[in-house]
Amino acid sequence: DGGITQSPKYLFRKEGQNVTLSCEQNLNHDAMYWYRQDPGQGLRLIYYSQIVNDFQKGDIAEGYSVSREKKESFPLTVTSAQKNPTAFYLCASSGITRDRAMGANVLTFGAGSRLTVL
Amino acid sequence: GESVGLHLPTLSVQEGDNSIINCAYSNSASDYFIWYKQESGKGPQFIIDIRSNMDKRQGQRVTVLLNKTVKHLSLQIAATQPGDSAVYFCAEIRSTGGGNKLTFGTGTQLKVEL
Repeated sequence: DGGITQSPKYLFRKEGQNVTLSCEQNLNHDAMYWYRQDPGQGLRLIYYSQIVNDFQKGDIAEGYSVSREKKESFPLTVTSAQKNPTAFYLCASSGITRDRAMGANVLTFGAGSRLTVL
Repeated sequence: GESVGLHLPTLSVQEGDNSIINCAYSNSASDYFIWYKQESGKGPQFIIDIRSNMDKRQGQRVTVLLNKTVKHLSLQIAATQPGDSAVYFCAEIRSTGGGNKLTFGTGTQLKVEL
């Protein structure tokens, strides 16, 4: 089965600690994304990567870091500089669809990781 | 039943009724739209999409309508079932010099009553 796997599903962090969320995809997608979801708000883009060894800041990149050493993997590190890290984090990927008329922007999402700061 | 707006309203419908979920998008230059369904504690799932040169697109039990004049998108679910209970949100995509930009709405909570 092709898809996106995020781990861990639940993570607890003490203040001042860095934590890394894993995202792996076997869809052969070029682009990968990290979003943050808070109650009552739309998804907000943290970082995205359109190709291996390249990534760009999204709208709320401060306090986060990423790497893209392999096509399949796009880990997100939540650093101690992120002042309000408690949230639901979603990883997504996208690639060229069979139906080019509908574009390459259909994101496939992982199941999410819920981070709680104690 | 119907809902309006980009906040997180709740739409309650009886099982078997039709549901209409609305989305007011922000940018008239957006040329592609997607509806996602998100069940509690899970990631969003693709439901249906539509390009800006279309007014209507149908899937299995779902129909998306696009009114570009008033920048309004709706998702119609026929014969709503308990498994349809979830948060539904729209996404608009527009082309920019730096690539495609996706903007997500905040969603509507659909509750199906037995």
